[in-house]
Amino acid sequence: EDKVVQSPLSLVVHEGDTVTLNCSYEVTNFRSLLWYKQEKKAPTFLFMLTSSGIEKKSGRLSSILDKKELFSILNITATQTGDSAVYLCAQTSYDKVIFGPGTSLSVIP
Amino acid sequence: DSGVTQTPKHLITATGQRVTLRCSPRSGDLSVYWYQQSLDQGLQFLIQYYNGEERAKGNILERFSAQQFPDLHSELNLSSLELGDSALYFCASSWTDSTDTQYFGPGTRLTVL
Repeated sequence: EDKVVQSPLSLVVHEGDTVTLNCSYEVTNFRSLLWYKQEKKAPTFLFMLTSSGIEKKSGRLSSILDKKELFSILNITATQTGDSAVYLCAQTSYDKVIFGPGTSLSVIP
Repeated sequence: DSGVTQTPKHLITATGQRVTLRCSPRSGDLSVYWYQQSLDQGLQFLIQYYNGEERAKGNILERFSAQQFPDLHSELNLSSLELGDSALYFCASSWTDSTDTQYFGPGTRLTVL
């Protein structure tokens, strides 16, 4: 059965730390890998990755995909308390979307 | 604000009842996706419509059905409700018919008593 695995499931860091969140997938007919941030509301889109080795960046966040090893990482540098959220990755194919369980990140002052 | 709207925001009903959740996609988006998020199951993909036609199906129960209307809004119908159907139901939209970048609505919280 297709699945997406994220690690760690939970993470607590101090402000200013750098974190790396992992996402691995086993889904057939790969189309894209999506990252979302979910606070106490709906998920908000962060990145879409389709090609291996090309880093996507947005401010302090960046992400990269390795299609050979079937994983993606999301990096957050100089973390702030506003980064506290659940980070979801999802693998899409042409007929379905499968989300991982999420990584809960808590950034403490 | 993603531009996707969902109504109602909260819904409380009893077991055995039927409810309808409504979603309006972002302007210009042709695809609508429905998701269920519960504490123990995480975010689960239910179904996708593109320009009025069913395009992809996920873990949607037979008691649930959906449709997309000519004006592109979508409705998710949940019938014979059970306690376990209590969850947050999200609608998302995207421009294309393939499951790429999706913008989520605020969700409808359903509580079945």
